[in-house]
This record gives sequence, C-alpha cells and structure tokens, in this order.
Amino acid sequence: DTGVSQNPRHKITKRGQNVTFRCDPISEHNRLYWYRQTLGQGPEFLTYFQNEAQLEKSRLLSDRFSAERPKGSFSTLEIQRTEQGDSAMYLCASSLTGGFSSPLHFGNGTRLTVT
Amino acid sequence: KQEVTQIPAALSVPEGENLVLNCSFTDSAIYNLQWFRQDPGKGLTSLLLIQSSQREQTSGRLNASLDKSSGRSTLYIAASQPGDSATYLCAVADNAGNMLTFGGGTRLMVKP
Repeated sequence: DTGVSQNPRHKITKRGQNVTFRCDPISEHNRLYWYRQTLGQGPEFLTYFQNEAQLEKSRLLSDRFSAERPKGSFSTLEIQRTEQGDSAMYLCASSLTGGFSSPLHFGNGTRLTVT
Repeated sequence: KQEVTQIPAALSVPEGENLVLNCSFTDSAIYNLQWFRQDPGKGLTSLLLIQSSQREQTSGRLNASLDKSSGRSTLYIAASQPGDSATYLCAVADNAGNMLTFGGGTRLMVKP
C-alpha cells in the first residue's frame, strides 16, 4: 500500500492554458473521488468514479473540466482554458467500497496557481 | 442541499488542555459522519467515522459524538499535545453514501 499519489504537486500556469492532473489510487480501490479545496475552506466535491464509470458530477464541474478513469485505474482531471478562479488545491481520494464505510484515503493534492 | 458548519474556525490552547470542536449539519438524513485531520499543504487523514446509527466513536485521546436528530457532532481531544496542531474537518455522507460534504474546518494550535 503506497497510498494515493498525485502529480504534479504544484502547477503554475497562465490564464487560458490547459492543465491536466493525474491521480493514482490505491491499487485495489474501486471508488475514486476528486475534490477542490481553496485556502481556509473545506474540500468541495467535484466528481467520483466507480471503477471506470463516472457516476456523479458536481455543478462545480463546468464544461471546462473533464475527468476520466480509463480501465478503472489511474484518473486524470483536465481543466481547459484555465481562469484565475480555478486556483486551488485539487485533491484525489480513493476507497475500497462505496458508502464511505471503508476508510477514504487522500493524496497530498495538486496545487494549481493560475496567473 | 447539505451545509456543514464548524465552530470555532480557529482555536489556540496551551498543551495539556482538553478541548471540544463542534460540527453542525442542516440535513439529518446522513449515512455517516467522519472527522479528518489536515496538516498544512497535505491531504486529509481519516480520524474517526461514526455510522448514522451510532452515538460515538473513540480512538486513543479522541472521542467523537453524533446527535443526528439535532444535526450536531463534537470531537473531543483529551490532554492536547503540540503534535495535535492541524486543521480538523468534519464531513457528512449523504443518505446514499455517495457524496461527502465538508465543513470549513477548525484550525487548532496547541502551544507547548
């Protein structure tokens, strides 16, 4: 169990550019979640996957955001045409099953700064 | 829409004090409630999980209680230590167990 891994740790980009983040969950975990956290706030739900199926998306996930989990393993979160308001910490989490009855393991996040 | 509030937003105590962190939520139809710890620049670590049918959970110096009908939970930390300094977040799972809604957190500083 090497934990949830997120790359890159930090990303600085100019407004209008596209960025992609990667999350590698714990290998046998079926559920994978993406959250966004701004300074001083709790994480906000973006989307989650059960294996390769994306089952729910928050209204926060505008058309500029897309997430994938091909083959039910790693996941990517892409933001197109970034805006300064996208600056935040993007957190990935995984769990063995749904229902949050099994522990939720978080990665250390990717901090995005849009200049 | 579920809303989760944590009070206080920040707390500073001397080492050795017992302390209570508060969490309230607006929709009592929850699946469970969890308390997490977050160190600066890091992800979250799960501390305690209370199922909707339970009243409390304990782990070491931590005790979390849940009063679902009133929409409240407390996290009690006994004999606080400087290593307890972190942000503590509570989160409630919706009735289907598919989504966690987080509070804004309580930033705790324990001074030696």
